[in-house]
Amino acid sequence: GAVVSQHPSRVICKSGTSVKIECRSLDFQATTMFWYRQFPKKSLMLMATSNEGSKATYEQGVEKDKFLINHASLTLSTLTVTSAHPEDSSFYICSARYHRGEGGYTFGSGTRLTVV
Amino acid sequence: QKEVEQNSGPLSVPEGAIASLNCTYSDRGSQSFFWYRQYSGKSPELIMSIYSNGDKEDGRFTAQLNKASQYVSLLIRDSQPSDSATYLCAVEPGGYQKVTFGIGTKLQVIP
Repeated sequence: GAVVSQHPSRVICKSGTSVKIECRSLDFQATTMFWYRQFPKKSLMLMATSNEGSKATYEQGVEKDKFLINHASLTLSTLTVTSAHPEDSSFYICSARYHRGEGGYTFGSGTRLTVV
Repeated sequence: QKEVEQNSGPLSVPEGAIASLNCTYSDRGSQSFFWYRQYSGKSPELIMSIYSNGDKEDGRFTAQLNKASQYVSLLIRDSQPSDSATYLCAVEPGGYQKVTFGIGTKLQVIP
């Protein structure tokens, strides 16, 4: 249980285009989802907290107009990287908190974004 | 600022040995503690959660929590090469507040 499905797993796009990443909680409702990015051999960096039905909360230094987050339902959150540039190339991962059993944070499988 | 400290490693242990991974945290009010394993190029997966002082065992894994010392550890018994990964310590203040991750300790189990 407590599965988060993330798509796509890998995407290559041209500079200037936008890319949408989806995260769905399959067997639980996620009122809050977290979006991270991770550079090679670095730790997770929280980008924003996505709240169902309200605006996302962005971490300091993260451009909200560039990384658009939508959390329209209790099971779906999306991250859109707008006008992507090569420096946006990274591993993006979503996560949600679940409270059944031992509880904890479950992660999506991640999206490897490469901007060329 | 809430911090979670881990030694980035790498920590090298021979196959069959006990691997000991350590983590300290700064927020004394933290209530929930997690250990995640992350293989290269993959997303983290939960190994253990611990909420109260003492030890918690699950198979070859034992999590230890000492809130007075603000210290949480993970022991891996009979280490296997497949255990080679980065282990992330995560600390949650409680309720629905966001979790803070450590930088992770890279573990290498040498056959």
